[in-house]
Amino acid sequence: SQKIEQNSEALNIQEGKTATLTCNYTNYSPAYLQWYRQDPGRGPVFLLLIRENEKEKRKERLKVTFDTTLKQSLFHITASQPADSATYLCALTGDNFNKFYFGSGTKLNVKP
Amino acid sequence: EPEVTQTPSHQVTQMGQEVILRCVPISNHLYFYWYRQILGQKVEFLVSFYNNEISEKSEIFDDQFSVERPDGSNFTLKIRSTKLEDSAMYFCASSRWATGLYGYTFGSGTRLTVV
Repeated sequence: SQKIEQNSEALNIQEGKTATLTCNYTNYSPAYLQWYRQDPGRGPVFLLLIRENEKEKRKERLKVTFDTTLKQSLFHITASQPADSATYLCALTGDNFNKFYFGSGTKLNVKP
Repeated sequence: EPEVTQTPSHQVTQMGQEVILRCVPISNHLYFYWYRQILGQKVEFLVSFYNNEISEKSEIFDDQFSVERPDGSNFTLKIRSTKLEDSAMYFCASSRWATGLYGYTFGSGTRLTVV
């Protein structure tokens, strides 16, 4: 079955630096990959979607890359702020768009 | 900003009881979903729903679970006879497009505690 791995250790960075989060997957060929933000006790909030034929997507301070050869997506937040502190989830789907598989998420702590 | 609304925010129920979790998706969305998250674990897919029928369901979504869109606005998840292991945060989500091209919009969830 498909396996989606995100770094379970929290990422601690200083305000103003770039945060880079990783999502690796195996036994899967996703057509779409999404990134979400989740705050404690809240539902995931959609950030970005990237398709398998796209290498990179940007939105304001966010950038996502998708390397289907490495089976990896990187999620970058530039000029990070304490308000960016949250858990970030990646989610994948194949040709069946009816469901997404989520990773377990990486907690980001941005220190002032 | 349109929202997906879920009620109640927290439900405590005795094992074996039936519960109904309610959701009001965004009004122009066509695709509806239930996901759940056991404390400290991944968000897991339960079921997707389109055009008044189930599109797909996971192995978690057994005969004890059912979904319904009883009117034009509500989307409900029923658990007929709750078990301790059903304790989790249940999230409703909706999307305008089949591919989730602009992402899913999730509600804030219902925390279900089975005692």
